Amino acid sequence: SAVISQKPSRDICQRGTSLTIQCQVDSQVTMMFWYRQQPGQSLTLIATANQGSEATYESGFVIDKFPISRPNLTFSTLTVSNMSPEDSSIYLCSAGEQGFEQYFGPGTRLTVT
Amino acid sequence: AQSVTQLDSQVPVFEEAPVELRCNYSSSVSVYLFWYVQYPNQGLQLLLKYLSGSTLVKGINGFEAEFNKSQTSFHLRKPSVHISDTAEYFCAVSGVLYNFNKFYFGSGTKLNVKP
Repeated sequence: SAVISQKPSRDICQRGTSLTIQCQVDSQVTMMFWYRQQPGQSLTLIATANQGSEATYESGFVIDKFPISRPNLTFSTLTVSNMSPEDSSIYLCSAGEQGFEQYFGPGTRLTVT
Repeated sequence: AQSVTQLDSQVPVFEEAPVELRCNYSSSVSVYLFWYVQYPNQGLQLLLKYLSGSTLVKGINGFEAEFNKSQTSFHLRKPSVHISDTAEYFCAVSGVLYNFNKFYFGSGTKLNVKP
């Protein structure tokens, strides 16, 4: 199994600013993903972070709002841009090998005021 | 696209009683199935998974689940729950349609174990 860490664990940000969330995996993995979990709700996939190429975004999510980087097989970042209160959520990073289970980080709890 | 239905949003149960958390998924040629647990203010932890083979899958913390292809279900069970099992449980499915890379999560079931 993979151990995943995220930074920051939580943050309170002002409307209109941006926050970059880091995700570090303790071993090389093929697949990395970013999810959003809004208060009291399930997980929604934002995008698949592809190593060395542009991320693959799900319907309803765009690169300008959620730019993602994945410079190598153990690290990825998600930026939440031009934030509004509606972006207040838990953002979760996950990782795994193609076709098997995903392992999740502890999440980043974002509050936008 | 796949969909996952968790029929119960909340399940209250007394300590040492058995529990079943229900999960149904939409039909697919082949699927992988997972149960995750989320404790308060934490990320998701894998409880168990079904990839192939025996339809009865045993996981951590005494949980087990049974894959029922004809009923497209993957219900989670534990014969005797503890207070520490209080958490939210998510069923997830992936399928051949997306090369098994894309996970679909259910809406979650909050298990509340009472003393």
